[in-house]
Amino acid sequence: DVKVTQSSRYLVKRTGEKVFLECVQDMDHENMFWYRQDPGLGLRLIYFSYDVKMKEKGDIPEGYSVSREKKERFSLILESASTNQTSMYLCASSLLLQGPPTDTQYFGPGTRLTVL
Amino acid sequence: AQKVTQAQTEISVVEKEDVTLDCVYETRDTTYYLFWYKQPPSGELVFLIRRNSFDEQNEISGRYSWNFQKSTSSFNFTITASQVVDSAVYFCALSETTGNQFYFGTGTSLTVIP
Repeated sequence: DVKVTQSSRYLVKRTGEKVFLECVQDMDHENMFWYRQDPGLGLRLIYFSYDVKMKEKGDIPEGYSVSREKKERFSLILESASTNQTSMYLCASSLLLQGPPTDTQYFGPGTRLTVL
Repeated sequence: AQKVTQAQTEISVVEKEDVTLDCVYETRDTTYYLFWYKQPPSGELVFLIRRNSFDEQNEISGRYSWNFQKSTSSFNFTITASQVVDSAVYFCALSETTGNQFYFGTGTSLTVIP
């Protein structure tokens, strides 16, 4: 079974703080993704990575950065947290097939972040 | 424009009723995947099914069935004899040949009333 874990289920931070969200997968997947989920908006892609040290912007990268130093770990960084970044954050991973389409994504349990 | 549309925002059914969740997608690619995920109250998205664009056969897995129709660009999901444990938000998603990302619908929240 694919296992994707996230460092925290719930997190409360103050405006202006630097926030790190960690994601680890144990299936040797090349692709990793960060989404945020908000009511009525579904899932929106923040960043993804298809290899170590590689990253691509998704639909809403502003205010976020990412780090992928090891294949199994993908970190999402909020350089200076703001209240509008209060949301559910979901990490996912997938195999990198020979070509697109992107294969099945497997998700972690999510981190519910509140910025006060 | 939305690539994946789930027009039903919320649905409530009484236990043992059948329920169909609609999904309409938009793509110009000939090769693509379609997916359904379940998100129970715990929050984790659970993968249910992947369908290749070249395979229009309907799929049945226990009480779950999926109807894929390219002619109407739809990939609908039916739960037969619904149970309280089916209460969740269900997401439909599309993965195209171009690009390297999923496109999710906005989800349908299903409540099964005992």
